[in-house]
Amino acid sequence: EVQLVESGGGVIRPGGSVRLSCAASGFTFDDYDMTWVRQAPGKGLEWVSTINRNGGSKYYADSVKGRFTISRDRARKSLFLQMNSLRAEDTAFYYCARVIRVAAPGSFPSGWFDPRGQGTLVTVSS
Amino acid sequence: DIVMTQSPDSLAVSLGERATINCKSSQSVFYSFNNKNYLAWYQQKPGQPPKLLIYWASTRESGVPDRFSGSGSGTDFTLTISSLQAEDVAVYYCQQYYTTPFFGQGTKLEIK
Repeated sequence: EVQLVESGGGVIRPGGSVRLSCAASGFTFDDYDMTWVRQAPGKGLEWVSTINRNGGSKYYADSVKGRFTISRDRARKSLFLQMNSLRAEDTAFYYCARVIRVAAPGSFPSGWFDPRGQGTLVTVSS
Repeated sequence: DIVMTQSPDSLAVSLGERATINCKSSQSVFYSFNNKNYLAWYQQKPGQPPKLLIYWASTRESGVPDRFSGSGSGTDFTLTISSLQAEDVAVYYCQQYYTTPFFGQGTKLEIK
């Protein structure tokens, strides 16, 4: 069974940092691009970042570019999101998901998301 | 960015009746190379994470009941629940994956 377990959330002061983790099991981690999606409380879904299978290509939403860094560890079968210079508007549930890759019309790695975790809540507040 | 707009924002339907949710993209998400529409639908039940329902605009994910169907092409898409069940109460999101991913704002579906 495919499982994704997010962790690392908490209450962080504005300007602070936190590192989220996503532990994967039940599938061949190296075969999939991975992504982070977030959801502010009571709001809709927002794509945050995607990393390709070998970690060599990374993509970010404009809202987090330069502040967040996505990475993955093959041996630990884990996905990470390093979040720096946090702002109140970063407060959200963060979900990791597999990306089901398909032929890309452009330069972005196209594919739909397969989220399986419960998410982890990051609250940015003083 | 290709922006997604859903309508309505909320919807109340009686049990057993049909529910229809619309999704419109600011540009076509049809790729002529493979004749596919790069459009997915997700369901998010209260207090739960989102779940993939449909991809390629009309292909149901494994295990999704056949009362859920997706249709449309180009810029206009529809999610239809043919006979609403109590467990279908949720927020539904469309998402384009033609380029940088973008979700619609969501449609909240309730029982009338």
